[in-house]
Amino acid sequence: GAVVSQHPSWVICKSGTSVKIECRSLDFQATTMFWYRQFPKQSLMLMATSNEGSKATYEQGVEKDKFLINHASLTLSTLTVTSAHPEDSSFYICSATPVEVSSYEQYFGPGTRLTVT
Amino acid sequence: GNSVTQMEGPVTLSEEAFLTINCTYTATGYPSLFWYVQYPGEGLQLLLKATKADDKGSNKGFEATYRKETTSFHLEKGSVQVSDSAVYFCALSRRWFGNEKLTFGTGTRLTIIP
Repeated sequence: GAVVSQHPSWVICKSGTSVKIECRSLDFQATTMFWYRQFPKQSLMLMATSNEGSKATYEQGVEKDKFLINHASLTLSTLTVTSAHPEDSSFYICSATPVEVSSYEQYFGPGTRLTVT
Repeated sequence: GNSVTQMEGPVTLSEEAFLTINCTYTATGYPSLFWYVQYPGEGLQLLLKATKADDKGSNKGFEATYRKETTSFHLEKGSVQVSDSAVYFCALSRRWFGNEKLTFGTGTRLTIIP
């Protein structure tokens, strides 16, 4: 149980276009979803926290107009990278916290590799 | 701010060798500490955790003890297997408006050779 999927697993896009990444909790409802970014040989950096039905909270230094997050249901959150540029190329990972849990454990998706050319 | 420093890899060991991956942290208050593992092509999975000083987390033969005096949470396993090959992340959490926010180390890639 507690499976999180991401789609697509990898995507290549041209500079200036927008890309949407989906994060789904497959067998549980998620109150909260988190979006992380990982650069090669670096740790996961939290980008934003989203709660279903409310606006996402972005970490300091993350451009909210560039990284649009929508958490429209208890099983789906999307991250849209708008007007992507090569420096946005990275590995994006989401995680979700089940509604019922008391330990606030996060379950992670497999990640999406974005390459902007 | 909070930070996690872990042993740089990659680490290559022979099967049945003893494993230690070092992890130290900097945090205000009393964070919870975690080890996550990422197998090839999969998402991060919680391996073990400890929520207070002197707690020992254990799972699948792996152990780590929360040492407040040395601000460390080193991961150990007495006899590794090829199936343990993965990337291991040390992390700490802090409660923020009811949510746990995780701070990760850079990850250590472990390869076990038969």
